[in-house]
Amino acid sequence: EAGVTQSPTHLIKTRGQQATLRCSPISGHTSVYWYQQALGLGLQFLLWYDEGEERNRGNFPPRFSGRQFPNYSSELNVNALELEDSALYLCASSRTQQNTEAFFGQGTRLTVV
Amino acid sequence: RKEVEQDPGPFNVPEGATVAFNCTYSNSASQSFFWYRQDCRKEPKLLMSVYSSGNEDGRFTAQLNRASQYISLLIRDSKLSDSATYLCVVKLNGGFKTIFGAGTRLFVKA
Repeated sequence: EAGVTQSPTHLIKTRGQQATLRCSPISGHTSVYWYQQALGLGLQFLLWYDEGEERNRGNFPPRFSGRQFPNYSSELNVNALELEDSALYLCASSRTQQNTEAFFGQGTRLTVV
Repeated sequence: RKEVEQDPGPFNVPEGATVAFNCTYSNSASQSFFWYRQDCRKEPKLLMSVYSSGNEDGRFTAQLNRASQYISLLIRDSKLSDSATYLCVVKLNGGFKTIFGAGTRLFVKA
């Protein structure tokens, strides 16, 4: 069974540009989570999607947005990039059931120059 | 107040030491509990689930205290390879939102 896949692995953008990050969950998983992890810091929750709907949002500005498609894959869009947006962006998927864990992709490392 | 709180550390311990991490959660609807491990520049991976009766996996013991709303992870006989960040995770009942703590960093030194 394929795991959570994220693309691209690395992304370099300049300030003010837009970045689009993609995530394909494990088959059968309807929930997708996005996290930001700046170098040396902990996971910061960005967004949670389930069944195509945004369920919850972390404390990030509106230029961080995303969506979930009918096949449960997801996109994270970051507009008007700032240097501080440089981080590892991790996607996780899970089933909407008790006692089932979430699985992470390997992440997209975004560098804003 | 954060939904899941952990001491960020770092915890610096010698090989062979016993180290314990605690994690508190604020939502009483929390239903499932896990500990994850994240190695440097890698994605987090499941270390162990936490059951109501407590559970053990080799040198690792996880416990849940629902009354006080915290979970713990005990690592005995620490190895250099245990150096990592340990993340506490809760999954809520109803909606099944998964919430990750920011993690506790552990450095085990020779």
